Amino acid sequence: SQQGEEDPQALSIQEGENATMNCSYKTSINNLQWYRQNSGRGLVHLILIRSNEREKHSGRLRVTLDTSKKSSSLLITASRAADTASYFCATENNFNKFYFGSGTKLNVKP
Amino acid sequence: NAGVTQTPKFQVLKTGQSMTLQCAQDMNHNSMYWYRQDPGMGLRLIYYSASEGTTDKGEVPNGYNVSRLNKREFSLRLESAAPSQTSVYFCASRPRFSGANVLTFGAGSRLTVL
Repeated sequence: SQQGEEDPQALSIQEGENATMNCSYKTSINNLQWYRQNSGRGLVHLILIRSNEREKHSGRLRVTLDTSKKSSSLLITASRAADTASYFCATENNFNKFYFGSGTKLNVKP
Repeated sequence: NAGVTQTPKFQVLKTGQSMTLQCAQDMNHNSMYWYRQDPGMGLRLIYYSASEGTTDKGEVPNGYNVSRLNKREFSLRLESAAPSQTSVYFCASRPRFSGANVLTFGAGSRLTVL
């Protein structure tokens, strides 16, 4: 696969806690993106970080990127039950192709 | 404003049958993609089309063909379905020239091959 792994595969937390998911990749990238998928639905874009950026914020989301380690992390602060979903990282290469990780299934308990 | 529309939503085939999954977008996007999603494996790229008239293979193209009929439509064909092609298929699109290099996904097509 062109994409690495995400960990953990599953994460269960209480409402109000923070959730951290990690993503590793194998090849050089233009950017890395995080998507969310609710059960039985398509993926929805959350946040994009370019290869020359190290950190990016959007609302309760914080993404970091370490290109030397080929890894990224997504932090969701003050989680809510509505954050329950699967989260995927995706990398875009120089040929405009997007490759996805295997995802982290997040369960936020009320 | 429908975004990306996929048909059918559900389909059951017998081994050896053929079918076409349809995808249409109304956002004037240039690039379109087909992915399959299997449990525990994330999304894998089947085929990609940068623009009308061009297609390119992804990670798992074997057993599939695609047609970029026009700017709006990108179809995926299974000529002789196999049980290994049981999956959920997603179509996605994105603008070609845009600072926001993100994908917009359809709702998916669930295919079962018996």
